[in-house]
Amino acid sequence: AQKITQTQPGMFVQEKEAVTLDCTYDTSDPSYGLFWYKQPSSGEMIFLIYQGSYDQQNATEGRYSLNFQKARKSANLVISASQLGDSAMYFCAMREGLNTGFQKLVFGTGTRLLVSP
Amino acid sequence: EAQVTQNPRYLITVTGKKLTVTCSQNMNHEYMSWYRQDPGLGLRQIYYSMNVEVTDKGDVPEGYKVSRKEKRNFPLILESPSPNQTSLYFCASSDLKGPGVETFFGQGTRLTVV
Repeated sequence: AQKITQTQPGMFVQEKEAVTLDCTYDTSDPSYGLFWYKQPSSGEMIFLIYQGSYDQQNATEGRYSLNFQKARKSANLVISASQLGDSAMYFCAMREGLNTGFQKLVFGTGTRLLVSP
Repeated sequence: EAQVTQNPRYLITVTGKKLTVTCSQNMNHEYMSWYRQDPGLGLRQIYYSMNVEVTDKGDVPEGYKVSRKEKRNFPLILESPSPNQTSLYFCASSDLKGPGVETFFGQGTRLTVV
């Protein structure tokens, strides 16, 4: 079974609008972390935001926020006020066993976001 | 500046010609790993290392070797590359201590095997 599911292969949004990128996950581990990465066309992986399974509040980092719904096992990324530079591939990832030192990230298949003027 | 450095960035090689992709980090991280990225599949872990001389297989280890002789370096070795190893490769490192720590990625190596 897929541990991380991103159901949107591609998304379009107009500049200055908000966009939500979906991510659902599957784990039986009570201690896990969820990450979002941005990959521009140049290829590098840029860390955006992190949410721990025990965090009480949704994570925010500037224009990025993570809509964490634990019961639904979803961790959607919300980008507010989209900019042309947000056009990129976005990956959701999970790390299980946070207290074990196990550092493996499991990635979804990604969502390509295109921001139009 | 904290960084993971991989070389080369781009590589075209022929089937069967041994190659090594180097990876070095300057953050004194214990944990290092290699991922490959393929369209529609996301990133998948190839090998990882939790410290010097400690390595283990990830999800897709076939056709790859690694070594960890020094803490900072974690090279990926393809002894006999094949076209199905054409991919974008990332080296990554992170600190073992504490939950939710950031994973640092190298710039990526785009490998083509013809």
